[in-house]
Amino acid sequence: EAQVTQNPRYLITVTGKKLTVTCSQNMNHEYMSWYRQDPGLGLRQIYYSMNVEVTDKGDVPEGYKVSRKEKRNFPLILESPSPNQTSLYFCASSPRTSRETQYFGPGTRLLVL
Amino acid sequence: QQPVQSPQAVILREGEDAVINCSSSKALYSVHWYRQKHGEAPVFLMILLKGGEQKGHDKISASFNEKKQQSSLYLTASQLSYSGTYFCGTDPSGTYKYIFGTGTRLKVLA
Repeated sequence: EAQVTQNPRYLITVTGKKLTVTCSQNMNHEYMSWYRQDPGLGLRQIYYSMNVEVTDKGDVPEGYKVSRKEKRNFPLILESPSPNQTSLYFCASSPRTSRETQYFGPGTRLLVL
Repeated sequence: QQPVQSPQAVILREGEDAVINCSSSKALYSVHWYRQKHGEAPVFLMILLKGGEQKGHDKISASFNEKKQQSSLYLTASQLSYSGTYFCGTDPSGTYKYIFGTGTRLKVLA
């Protein structure tokens, strides 16, 4: 089944404790992206990747890191999480560009205390 | 700049129609429409690429005006399953970035 998976689905952590949210797709897509969703602010892009080893900042990259060492995986790293990073996170992928249909993962709900 | 959607929220009875608008101050290269149900991931509805384009399937359709600065989503004979938040989205200036609109919450009542 074609899908985008994210792990973990729910995470509670404390300020400053490094964490990684994994994202994997099995559709051989080149484009992958991370979004955060907050009440009243909608969906905002954090980082995106056009292909292996090619990444760039979205609208809200501060406090996040990403890497794309394999085509299927695009992990989101929070080196020192803070409470303002409490949010619902979505990973998405599309065949080549952001202009095509994006397929979303199920989401990761993060709470930073 | 984030596309602005209107209305922000709408409540309908089953069988009624709704129109959701997505406006930008600059011409858009493309417009996508997504629906998101509470607690779930956004789901793709359709994409429009050309000015003047209209597209639809079943009772949901969309248009993209000639200047490519506004798109509208049309929901006809609404069903309970149409409830959710609708987002338009675009790739600004043909870049690889992606921006979602402000969102429209739609509730269909029996």
